[in-house]
Amino acid sequence: QVQLVESGGGLVKPGGSLRLSCAASGFTFSDFYMNWIRQAPGKGLEWVSYISSSGGSIYYGDSVKGRFTISRDNAKNSLYLQMSSLRAEDTAMYFCARRRYDSGSDTYYFDLWGQGTLVTVSS
Amino acid sequence: AIQMTQSPSSLSASVGDRVTITCRASQGIRNDLGWYQQEPGKAPKLLIYAASSLQSGVPLRFSGSGSGTDFTLTISSLQPEDFATYYCLQDYTYPYTFGQGTKLEIK
Repeated sequence: QVQLVESGGGLVKPGGSLRLSCAASGFTFSDFYMNWIRQAPGKGLEWVSYISSSGGSIYYGDSVKGRFTISRDNAKNSLYLQMSSLRAEDTAMYFCARRRYDSGSDTYYFDLWGQGTLVTVSS
Repeated sequence: AIQMTQSPSSLSASVGDRVTITCRASQGIRNDLGWYQQEPGKAPKLLIYAASSLQSGVPLRFSGSGSGTDFTLTISSLQPEDFATYYCLQDYTYPYTFGQGTKLEIK
């Protein structure tokens, strides 16, 4: 079954750290670029980070740059997000999403999403 | 970063209505725009990519158009399962940016 399953969320104090994981199955994980996207309670979607299939290209949103680190282990079919110096405004549901390339239109899109893992930053 | 301005933020409509949601980019993004539907408590689901290409399995009542800075999502005849929140996403350049969302509610 083609799916992404996030884990690792929970309650953490401000300034603390947390590592999220995203387990991929049913497809060749190493062929795909991956992203993290988050959604604060009752708010809209915010793109967080991207990593290329090999891990050689990485981008971050301005709100997490310098505090979050994205990585992957293709041998374990897993994507990670190491979060440090956490703030109350990082409280959100975190989704991992697969980015697919369409050669016909020369565009990309997120065609597969996990169910999300909730991170709460509070004292 | 490219800003995506989505409107309206909420919309009240009836089953069978035709509705249109718009997104405007702060700079040209070719056709690098997708539309996503999100039901409460669920992950977003891709409806449209490359501004006008229908994702496999998505009903034909959904359509997208536009290029450059102005884009629209149209639902030709609303069905009960369409009442959800819709987001546009520019995937032209990082940081990717979403519109603020449009909550579609039953009238």
